[in-house]
Amino acid sequence: QKEVEQDPGPLSVPEGAIVSLNCTYSNSAFQYFMWYRQYSRKGPELLMYTYSSGNKEDGRFTAQVDKSSKYISLFIRDSQPSDSATYLCAMSLYGGATNKLIFGTGTLLAVQP
Amino acid sequence: GAVVSQHPSWVICKSGTSVKIECRSLDFQATTMFWYRQFPKQSLMLMATSNEGSKATYEQGVEKDKFLINHASLTLSTLTVTSAHPEDSSFYICSASPSGRAEAFFGQGTRLTVV
Repeated sequence: QKEVEQDPGPLSVPEGAIVSLNCTYSNSAFQYFMWYRQYSRKGPELLMYTYSSGNKEDGRFTAQVDKSSKYISLFIRDSQPSDSATYLCAMSLYGGATNKLIFGTGTLLAVQP
Repeated sequence: GAVVSQHPSWVICKSGTSVKIECRSLDFQATTMFWYRQFPKQSLMLMATSNEGSKATYEQGVEKDKFLINHASLTLSTLTVTSAHPEDSSFYICSASPSGRAEAFFGQGTRLTVV
């Protein structure tokens, strides 16, 4: 069993739809959770960062962490064709710059105009 | 803030030659940087942890003599692919974090093609 599970998709939605992306994890000690967006042939771009449980909102993006269920989600409202990319969840045990991130496999999202 | 830059963005080299990829933190100091490899339609695979002023730590199965890492300053880490072969062709990405922050910031990636 992988430490972090993520549905690879592809996920295709019409423009304007609400998108829900999810990851589950097995290690209850994870405390730091991130979502990255990666366009083809580019490096990942940080979208959202959350510490421990709870919700965080930034514009059209909302990140949720449910540590009791070991489940994290990213919601995208009013999705746009420019949101078409691969979305990677990542998490770590500790904060600080020296700690490794554990990544999901990524979900490929296509927003159809 | 928190910008990481990689150079070059893409490189083509002949089999048997060596290629150097640079990773720079532009607006912060990074005592630790990470190097990843990514195959098409796959997630990031951590290759090694680059430590300023000391030897890199390689993940299991990564050949340290093939992938040489040097972290000579607080803003620069380099990955040298030695005696490159076509199977080394891949997308290489580095990341770093400002001190005290858990989230990582990535470079643009380097697409290496060995012919």
